[in-house]
Amino acid sequence: KAGVTQTPRYLIKTRGQQVTLSCSPISGHRSVSWYQQTPGQGLQFLFEYFSETQRNKGNFPGRFSGRQFSNSRSEMNVSTLELGDSALYLCASSLGLQGETQYFGPGTRLLVL
Amino acid sequence: SQQGEEDPQALSIQEGENATMNCSYKTSINNLQWYRQNSGRGLVHLILIRSNEREKHSGRLRVTLDTSKKSSSLLITASRAADTASYFCAEPFSGNTPLVFGKGTRLSVIA
Repeated sequence: KAGVTQTPRYLIKTRGQQVTLSCSPISGHRSVSWYQQTPGQGLQFLFEYFSETQRNKGNFPGRFSGRQFSNSRSEMNVSTLELGDSALYLCASSLGLQGETQYFGPGTRLLVL
Repeated sequence: SQQGEEDPQALSIQEGENATMNCSYKTSINNLQWYRQNSGRGLVHLILIRSNEREKHSGRLRVTLDTSKKSSSLLITASRAADTASYFCAEPFSGNTPLVFGKGTRLSVIA
């Protein structure tokens, strides 16, 4: 089975712009979770989608949003980018039982200038 | 906070030595998981230990869980340079997030 894929792998944006990141889960996985990783804050949970519905949400401002499509692919969007949004954004998929093993993609490294 | 805490934050050993990392958490858990992350890449799941298990092995990895002390340890035996990575413990936080990760232990294995 192919693993979790994320596109793009690298991205450079300027403050105020918006960005959309994409994640394709492992075939058959219905849950997709997004995490932000920074040196200062570590791995922080953004949100989780299951069967096109947001099931959980972390403590991030409304500028961060996401969605999941019927084929389980997911996108996350960050509007009005700030310098502090520079991070590695990781997507993980699983079958859908909460607390089970997560399978991570390689991440999208976002740099905001 | 529910977040687990790994200890030490950084560990440097010689190839062939054993490496032990510890994780402490704050509330009851159903399971605890360990992940590895090579520099700037995605996380790879290593092992999951359930709350009713005390020890689990996978190849050169041994994980123990002490629910009375709310702690877990990851032992890597006969370490190799390829084991150089950051290691994270993670536990489900019921009601909010699928997994909550600690800050990780950065392991350096010197050849």
